[in-house]
Amino acid sequence: ETGVTQTPRHLVMGMTNKKSLKCEQHLGHNAMYWYKQSAKKPLELMFVYNFKEQTENNSVPSRFSPECPNSSHLFLHLHTLQPEDSALYLCASSHLGQTNTEAFFGQGTRLTVV
Amino acid sequence: SQQGEEDPQALSIQEGENATMNCSYKTSINNLQWYRQNSGRGLVHLILIRSNEREKHSGRLRVTLDTSKKSSSLLITASRAADTASYFCATGDSGNTPLVFGKGTRLSVIA
Repeated sequence: ETGVTQTPRHLVMGMTNKKSLKCEQHLGHNAMYWYKQSAKKPLELMFVYNFKEQTENNSVPSRFSPECPNSSHLFLHLHTLQPEDSALYLCASSHLGQTNTEAFFGQGTRLTVV
Repeated sequence: SQQGEEDPQALSIQEGENATMNCSYKTSINNLQWYRQNSGRGLVHLILIRSNEREKHSGRLRVTLDTSKKSSSLLITASRAADTASYFCATGDSGNTPLVFGKGTRLSVIA
């Protein structure tokens, strides 16, 4: 148990569906992240939120829409996804602005787009 | 962003043997971190070595850092089947930018 909880663990959705991934941390961290992990590719940083403000959006398609209502919760809203969006989506949190700090990851959501 | 690049991409060893994985990076760093990922799960932090440290131990793990060569190695001694996982390095700067990970080394320990 890392202190970062992601739900659901598995999700199968059609290309016309709308779904949301949820992430929660109770570690007192000020930053939360969404990463995408596809087979045989590096972990891709998608979004960064620092104190609820989005500070990074790495050219992610608009069909992925993040939301951070407070520093403990992070959502990733999905709509009209493509099969190539199937991947493991990982949420992480850390203390941004503090040196020598580690990231804590959730267990991930395995997303399959059919 | 800084990126660690792990080598080899895959490593298969017998239980009881030592496993060594390497990481190279490109820019100056404050620290380098190693993470482990079991199949289909999240990453778990293993160890952090600061830029002014050359070696660090944690249980069966030994990490070295050579800032002149911009490289690090992770040694797992007396490996066990349960060590089977992917291992990633990530570099940290002043703490104001998020960690960036490489593709990782997939370690298989055969019983």
